[in-house]
Amino acid sequence: DTEVTQTPKHLVMGMTNKKSLKCEQHMGHRAMYWYKQKAKKPPELMFVYSYEKLSINESVPSRFSPECPNSSLLNLHLHALQPEDSALYLCASSQAHLGGRTEAFFGQGTRLTVV
Amino acid sequence: AQKVTQAQTEISVVEKEDVTLDCVYETRDTTYYLFWYKQPPSGELVFLIRRNSFDEQNEISGRYSWNFQKSTSSFNFTITASQVVDSAVYFCALSEEEAGTALIFGKGTTLSVSS
Repeated sequence: DTEVTQTPKHLVMGMTNKKSLKCEQHMGHRAMYWYKQKAKKPPELMFVYSYEKLSINESVPSRFSPECPNSSLLNLHLHALQPEDSALYLCASSQAHLGGRTEAFFGQGTRLTVV
Repeated sequence: AQKVTQAQTEISVVEKEDVTLDCVYETRDTTYYLFWYKQPPSGELVFLIRRNSFDEQNEISGRYSWNFQKSTSSFNFTITASQVVDSAVYFCALSEEEAGTALIFGKGTTLSVSS
């Protein structure tokens, strides 16, 4: 099973709403990632969790709050977003964050629209 | 400085043509990893290949082949006898072990294969 599952697939939210994106993997991977991808752009790294601890935060605004409840789950809590935050949010996992096992497997993403 | 450069923004070919997607990278690490990902319109990033900096052997997988040349810092991807299903955005990516970076993506090349 080489799947990374993300829910929901689509999300429309108002600027005052609070919502969460969820990501799950059962490959035994110990690194998990959130990427943001705007249209016609490459994915941009937001956060890296390694062994359930936040190891990289790429200066992401605090209205995005990641959480890793266990080694299989990764959440991204959203609050007071702006319309420019509308994008495809991709979750990924890999065996490790560094070293020779870094190929990441991606979910299908959540297409977020902020109105 | 951009670490991964994909100079070709868009390529259009007719089915059965061969096509090469270029990727040039920049790093100071001696240990690093190069990747190619495919992103079809559905949005999911599909892992195609990983190469480490110590392995310059070229690789062939079916109609896909990769040419890694450290002397020119290039990791090019060739599709032989292209098919309509190959239409997608292709990303080259780099991760650096010493610098501790997660995947750094190039801007992507959009490949359109017409019948």
